[in-house]
Amino acid sequence: GQNIDQPTEMTATEGAIVQINCTYQTSGFNGLFWYQQHAGEAPTFLSYNVLDGLEEKGRFSSFLSRSKGYSYLLLKELQMKDSASYLCAAMDSNYQLIWGAGTKLIIKP
Amino acid sequence: DADVTQTPRNRITKTGKRIMLECSQTKGHDRMYWYRQDPGLGLQLIYYSFDVKDINKGEISDGYSVSRQAQAKFSLSLESAIPNQTALYFCATSSGQVDTGELFFGEGSRLTVL
Repeated sequence: GQNIDQPTEMTATEGAIVQINCTYQTSGFNGLFWYQQHAGEAPTFLSYNVLDGLEEKGRFSSFLSRSKGYSYLLLKELQMKDSASYLCAAMDSNYQLIWGAGTKLIIKP
Repeated sequence: DADVTQTPRNRITKTGKRIMLECSQTKGHDRMYWYRQDPGLGLQLIYYSFDVKDINKGEISDGYSVSRQAQAKFSLSLESAIPNQTALYFCATSSGQVDTGELFFGEGSRLTVL
């Protein structure tokens, strides 16, 4: 079956760095997505990886290892506004997104 | 104005009632989707449409139906609502570009079935 695993909740301190991990099992693979979702709001796109390696975009970076079925989202210089849920989603061979349940990130002062 | 607009944003209804959630978009995208989100679960795909004449069931289509009235409009109907359909519903669009597949979401419609 197809499955996405990510931690349910993480806590970090303002100004610090946090890494949110995601493992996936899909029928075929056409890329790994990260979305941010603030409470009560719509998800918004953060990143897309289809090749192995690290993609950096400002304070956020995303890493992919296709051989390990593994990705992480790295958030640097954490700000209070980064408190949100982070959704990992893998695109399967039919170009359908398989979603994880999301990781709720709590930022403390 | 939002590129993807959902109405209503909140709705409380009773078991057995028919409910329609509407979605309209100004992004010019051919692909539109309906998802539901429940606490502790990932987004689940209900229906999707790649163009006006193309409608496809998602992983949880039972109890739901859709209508693609135009490229810009995609409606979700619950013919006879039941309490376990209480959830947050999202409409989304995409351009269909394989290299990114980025989805653009509406603000969500919170449905409560009593």
